[in-house]
Amino acid sequence: NAGVTQTPKFQVLKTGQSMTLQCAQDMNHEYMSWYRQDPGMGLRLIHYSVGAGITDQGEVPNGYNVSRSTTEDFPLRLLSAAPSQTSVYFCASSSFDGYTFGSGTRLTVV
Amino acid sequence: QQQVKQSPQSLIVQKGGISIINCAYENTAFDYFPWYQQFPGKGPALLIAIRPDVSEKKEGRFTISFNKSAKQFSLHIMDSQPGDSATYFCAASRNNAGNMLTFGGGTRLMVKP
Repeated sequence: NAGVTQTPKFQVLKTGQSMTLQCAQDMNHEYMSWYRQDPGMGLRLIHYSVGAGITDQGEVPNGYNVSRSTTEDFPLRLLSAAPSQTSVYFCASSSFDGYTFGSGTRLTVV
Repeated sequence: QQQVKQSPQSLIVQKGGISIINCAYENTAFDYFPWYQQFPGKGPALLIAIRPDVSEKKEGRFTISFNKSAKQFSLHIMDSQPGDSATYFCAASRNNAGNMLTFGGGTRLMVKP
């Protein structure tokens, strides 16, 4: 019963580098989303998807891209990392039973 | 624009005491109000949730009180235990799935033995 799996758990990037944060769910949920968590600001929505092939922007989408080619996977791409993207990133999937979050990726951009 | 405001940012309670965390929202279209509990190094986990057709929901030591006219809701933790020490987030959405959650800023709770 894996739920939502995120990789990697930790990552250090240099400014300007690109990378992809992976997210996979095995609950057959249609809705998936990416949040970033910063101290005192709660979780802010970056991008979300209501099903395979459909994505949309959240509150803080700049500097990030997503795609949803399958129901299971929802990767988040950082195009050119900036220090302002230092954060903890959470992927979530949801159904009528509520949201299930992954354990997070702690990203540091130096 | 912060649509869900949460207070306090941090809270220290003695073991056995009552912990109270408050949230206020602006969007009257919200119709689902969950609370999440997060331990260090983990993702948030659903604790308890309420819809605006009831004013209170209780699950064990955890109670949500909801005031629709004031656009406020709160989490009460009765008989607080050291194991309750965590960060708590309120959230709101227009649906419990298929619509994005808007989170409050979080409250770091410490329960002293």
